[in-house]
Amino acid sequence: QVQLVESGGGVVQPGGSLRLSCAASGFTFSSYGIHWVRQAPGKGLEWVAFIRFDGSNKYYADSVKGRFTISRDNSKNTLYLQMNSLRAEDTAVYYCARDRAVFGFYSALDYWGQGTLVTVSS
Amino acid sequence: DIQMTQSPSSLSASVGDRVTITCQATQDISIYLNWYQQKPGKAPKLLIYDASNLETGVPSRFSGSGSGTHFTFTITTLQPEDIATYYCQHYDNLPLTFGGGTKVEIK
Repeated sequence: QVQLVESGGGVVQPGGSLRLSCAASGFTFSSYGIHWVRQAPGKGLEWVAFIRFDGSNKYYADSVKGRFTISRDNSKNTLYLQMNSLRAEDTAVYYCARDRAVFGFYSALDYWGQGTLVTVSS
Repeated sequence: DIQMTQSPSSLSASVGDRVTITCQATQDISIYLNWYQQKPGKAPKLLIYDASNLETGVPSRFSGSGSGTHFTFTITTLQPEDIATYYCQHYDNLPLTFGGGTKVEIK
């Protein structure tokens, strides 16, 4: 069965860095684009970034552009999110989610991980 | 950026009731609209894609309709396990954006 498992969350000071990972299994990872979506405590969902199946294209929300970097290692079935210059407003649960379009661009997010909490606080 | 406005933000209904949620986009998004269910402490779950297509395994009491700028999500017969927050999401272009959510409670 399709599984996405995030890791790497934790508490970090403002201005600090953190790298999230998303380990995928149960499907051909190299055929699907993957998103990062975050949810601040008690708030709604915010799309963060997307990477195409082969890593050829990467897209970011304006709120994280220039600070976050999405990447993937298809040989390890793993997605990453490098987060630099973290701010208090980046505090959220971060989810990785598979895009349902095989070899496509963005569409619906059909499988989600359980999320990992990132807290930015001094 | 395309903004998605959901209404109502919350509702209370009885088991067996018909529940309707609307989602309005700030520009024409054709049928590029999805609906998700999120239960407390859990990840969102895809229910409807392309405005009206039921995701595999999702009960048929859930349905979606609409195109352009106005969309509707319906639960025909509310069940206790449907207590959750529901979100619409467009994918006409980037950034993907979600509606603010509709919290559904049992009366």
